[in-house]
Amino acid sequence: EPEVTQTPSHQVTQMGQEVILRCVPISNHLYFYWYRQILGQKVEFLVSFYNNEISEKSEIFDDQFSVERPDGSNFTLKIRSTKLEDSAMYFCASSFSGRGTDTQYFGPGTRLTVL
Amino acid sequence: GENVEQHPSTLSVQEGDSAVIKCTYSDSASNYFPWYKQELGKRPQLIIDIRSNVGEKKDQRIAVTLNKTAKHFSLHITETQPEDSAVYFCAAPGTYKYIFGTGTRLKVLA
Repeated sequence: EPEVTQTPSHQVTQMGQEVILRCVPISNHLYFYWYRQILGQKVEFLVSFYNNEISEKSEIFDDQFSVERPDGSNFTLKIRSTKLEDSAMYFCASSFSGRGTDTQYFGPGTRLTVL
Repeated sequence: GENVEQHPSTLSVQEGDSAVIKCTYSDSASNYFPWYKQELGKRPQLIIDIRSNVGEKKDQRIAVTLNKTAKHFSLHITETQPEDSAVYFCAAPGTYKYIFGTGTRLKVLA
């Protein structure tokens, strides 16, 4: 069964550094998402992406964040200048259709630790 | 605004008993409601979902019920087993996203 994959599984970085988290969505899916989960808390929406454009973003997704689909398979989340409070698990997800009416499949996550 | 409330936050049951987790949502246009199970350090995994044109859906020991009038939906797990211990999240759709509930930590005591 196809799965969403993410790399790296764990990223440690110094405050102020840039990080790029990578995701490979399921191949026939058209909608891509990033969520984050601070330890012990709920899953929070960051951004959704379709047809090379952001469909929706949350207030968490400020100017320090950006997303890109650099080629036909990868979907990336960049944090330009990391802060301590960016430490969290970041999940990529994908779905065939959007508008929240289709199942979203989650990747295994990248644990980001900002020191 | 869009909001999903989930109760209880923790739930302990004896093995073999039933567990019920409830969620309420605010957007009356929502029409798809998934439930995810998340084991420690793992990804959320879809366990069951329901669309608004049905009131109940069952899959072996798991069932979900939906009351669109009251805007709430519930997860029911019967004959609980230790491997059911995990955090369970409900979700309701936003425009291009899911809005997740706050999670329920289920402990099944052997």
